[in-house]
Amino acid sequence: DIVMTQSPDSLAVSLGERATINCKSSQSVLYSSNNKNYLAWYQQKPGQPPKLLISWASTRESGVPDRFSGSGSGTDFTLTISSLQAEDVAVYYCQQYYSTPLTFGGGTKVELK
Amino acid sequence: QVQLQESGPGLVKPSETLSLTCTVSGDSIRSHFWTWIRQPPGKGLEWIGHMHHSGSTNYNPSLRGRVTISVDTSKNQFSLKLTSVTAADTAVYYCARLAAVAEGGWFDPWGQGTLVTVSS
Repeated sequence: DIVMTQSPDSLAVSLGERATINCKSSQSVLYSSNNKNYLAWYQQKPGQPPKLLISWASTRESGVPDRFSGSGSGTDFTLTISSLQAEDVAVYYCQQYYSTPLTFGGGTKVELK
Repeated sequence: QVQLQESGPGLVKPSETLSLTCTVSGDSIRSHFWTWIRQPPGKGLEWIGHMHHSGSTNYNPSLRGRVTISVDTSKNQFSLKLTSVTAADTAVYYCARLAAVAEGGWFDPWGQGTLVTVSS
């Protein structure tokens, strides 16, 4: 199984400041034949289901604000919120789809400072 | 707009079978793979498995053969059965559409989730 490890477990960020969330996979999720990273990011607000933000490590879903960006390749990935808004308070998860079982990181809770 | 809604008992006794149904609207169940994911209270997400109406399935080995996902195309629904449940199976259960890529994919959209508690 590919183990996904997120850091930090939580972080407190002031409004308008940058939030950076890391995700590391136990093996590469870069598929060499198409040079794509099989990694997605989700946002989960309290009492709600997760919402897909990013697929292919860096492709934002339609309607997702451009303050959200994904980067990285191979085993190390980052989700960046460039200017935190109050509505961004949530838990963020990464997920690999390189192989089954499909696995998630443990989540990073983003709070307001 | 695609919508998914889970339904089923909120309380299941230990050793019994958990059964949930997901009703899909706004999309044909024949067009995609469909999946179940669970989240124990206050914890992270666990993929349970997914299937296609053709019968193709893929389950999480961690569930050790206790899980079955099936599709009812006439009702545009798919279902989850988890046998021999214990307290460790207490979780919010989500259904979702799988954006299939190779043998896996990402999940979008999700149902609202339903809490299933295993207790006598």
